[in-house]
Amino acid sequence: AQSVTQLGSHVSVSEGALVLLRCNYSSSVPPYLFWYVQYPNQGLQLLLKYTSAATLVKGINGFEAEFKKSETSFHLTKPSAHMSDAAEYFCAVSDQSSGTYKYIFGTGTRLKVLA
Amino acid sequence: EAGVAQSPRYKIIEKRQSVAFWCNPISGHATLYWYQQILGQGPKLLIQFQNNGVVDDSQLPKDRFSAERLKGVDSTLKIQPAKLEDSAVYLCASSLGRVAGGGPDTQYFGPGTRLTVL
Repeated sequence: AQSVTQLGSHVSVSEGALVLLRCNYSSSVPPYLFWYVQYPNQGLQLLLKYTSAATLVKGINGFEAEFKKSETSFHLTKPSAHMSDAAEYFCAVSDQSSGTYKYIFGTGTRLKVLA
Repeated sequence: EAGVAQSPRYKIIEKRQSVAFWCNPISGHATLYWYQQILGQGPKLLIQFQNNGVVDDSQLPKDRFSAERLKGVDSTLKIQPAKLEDSAVYLCASSLGRVAGGGPDTQYFGPGTRLTVL
């Protein structure tokens, strides 16, 4: 079965600093990978997804992620953090089973941005 | 375009009571998902519908949870009787159900219903 592991349940960065949120996956086949953001009292919003095209994926709000097969990683980065980036971030992998795609989510990383 | 609608947003009940949640997906979306998100965890799929048929309910506690999607549009999720461990946010999501070239399509999430069981 596929799974994702997010390293660090809480990450704090200063405003303007680099954001790095880590995600490692396990999969026996090339995976589909996703990053979602969840603001307080809201549902999840897709930031970006990897679907086996370019290994560097650009998403919304200045975020990007790089698929590294050798490291089984799909880390999320943003060059300069903004206060509005404070939220919880989830990495997910999609697994096709019985003809349908299922999503498996990581446990999330809460990002805090310090002024 | 209207997003995924869910109601109620908040619900507090006592254990052994019953509760129902409602979801209206984005118009035209064939696939509908119900997730349970316990505090501090990622969403866990409870049930997935394709139109009005169930394609995956392997993680749905069927002794107490039920869901239906009549006419392939909106859906209800029911818990009867509720337990303390059911306290969570229940998220509904929808997707078109197909994507050019294959692969999973994008899920769009509603704001969720926060359930507290006392």
